[in-house]
Amino acid sequence: SQKIEQNSEALNIQEGKTATLTCNYTNYSPAYLQWYRQDPGRGPVFLLLIRENEKEKRKERLKVTFDTTLKQSLFHITASQPADSATYLCALAAYGNNRLAFGKGNQVVVIP
Amino acid sequence: EPEVTQTPSHQVTQMGQEVILRCVPISNHLYFYWYRQILGQKVEFLVSFYNNEISEKSEIFDDQFSVERPDGSNFTLKIRSTKLEDSAMYFCASSGTITAAGSNQPQHFGDGTRLSIL
Repeated sequence: SQKIEQNSEALNIQEGKTATLTCNYTNYSPAYLQWYRQDPGRGPVFLLLIRENEKEKRKERLKVTFDTTLKQSLFHITASQPADSATYLCALAAYGNNRLAFGKGNQVVVIP
Repeated sequence: EPEVTQTPSHQVTQMGQEVILRCVPISNHLYFYWYRQILGQKVEFLVSFYNNEISEKSEIFDDQFSVERPDGSNFTLKIRSTKLEDSAMYFCASSGTITAAGSNQPQHFGDGTRLSIL
């Protein structure tokens, strides 16, 4: 069956360090992958999109990698700040459709 | 920055009643979606809508559900005869413009309607 796995344990990290989150998938051939931030009681906020023929994308302090051989995406927050504390979701979509399949999310807590 | 807006923010309804959840997508977007998130669980796709028709729906989106774009700005989700298990956050999203149509476009979400079925 298709699975998208993100670490269920919260990541506690010291302010200023780099947070790295993992998204692993099985039985998918995604055309692209998106990363979102979700705060409690709020909707997902789009952060980055990476296509299957791209290895890396950056936006300000954020970096995403996509390895279709390993079936894995890594999401990095450099120079983390307490305001980065949230749950981060990865979402995949197959070719030819826009239906996003989400992972359960990984909580990040940045400690001042 | 343009955003997706949803109303109401919280809807409480008796089991068996009908509810309509409303969304105003980003104005130049062409693709519209509904997702739901049961408390503590992942976000799940319900339906996508393009060119005034459903383009894809999940197994969750059964005959109890329907969507409509009644005018040029609103996008609604109707749930007939609600059940207890329909209690969830319902998110509307939109994506894609004329110049950047098709798949591979970021989806932008509203803040959701919390639906509570009693």
